[in-house]
Amino acid sequence: GAGVSQSPRYKVAKRGQDVALRCDPISGHVSLFWYQQALGQGPEFLTYFQNEAQLDKSGLPSDRFFAERPEGSVSTLKIQRTQQEDSAVYLCASSGRVQLTFYEQYFGPGTRLTVT
Amino acid sequence: SQQGEEDPQALSIQEGENATMNCSYKTSINNLQWYRQNSGRGLVHLILIRSNEREKHSGRLRVTLDTSKKSSSLLITASRAADTASYFCATGRSRLTFGEGTQLTVNP
Repeated sequence: GAGVSQSPRYKVAKRGQDVALRCDPISGHVSLFWYQQALGQGPEFLTYFQNEAQLDKSGLPSDRFFAERPEGSVSTLKIQRTQQEDSAVYLCASSGRVQLTFYEQYFGPGTRLTVT
Repeated sequence: SQQGEEDPQALSIQEGENATMNCSYKTSINNLQWYRQNSGRGLVHLILIRSNEREKHSGRLRVTLDTSKKSSSLLITASRAADTASYFCATGRSRLTFGEGTQLTVNP
């Protein structure tokens, strides 16, 4: 079946521009996660949705970052007034498990954002 | 911030050799996962080990966990060129906290 898809795959933005990154999770997956991965580093958590509810946004680096999942499926990560330090790969992951023990997360290919 | 560290940061071996990567973490855990990332397939889940397990196998992968030392190791046996990738350990129930990764290069 189809995996997690993200668009665009690459985005170049001029400093100060707003960008919107889209994530289509695996159909039926309840949980959706956004991570930011800087070059040569591991992914870092940004935010987490269970259905349409944003349960944890503690990883968002500033109030310029905003995420939504209004119908509990597709999610959009928006970055306002982009800065050079926002350049990174943005990864989306989804998971179908709601149990309390663990989640195996399925990751999309990522969106590589370059702010010039 | 990263949960822990992988060791070594980079590893280069010949095809057929075994590769061992280590991960240390800071807080108590319920489980620890290993992921692989390469340019072709993105970030892929490899194996999960629960905190009450000491060793787990999956194909050519062997993972150990020592909760007293807050460390885990991933062994890949009989490595192949296709194993070339970055390997990350991750902890957490929902939000995952990743280490900084080990870049493994398997030379044909």
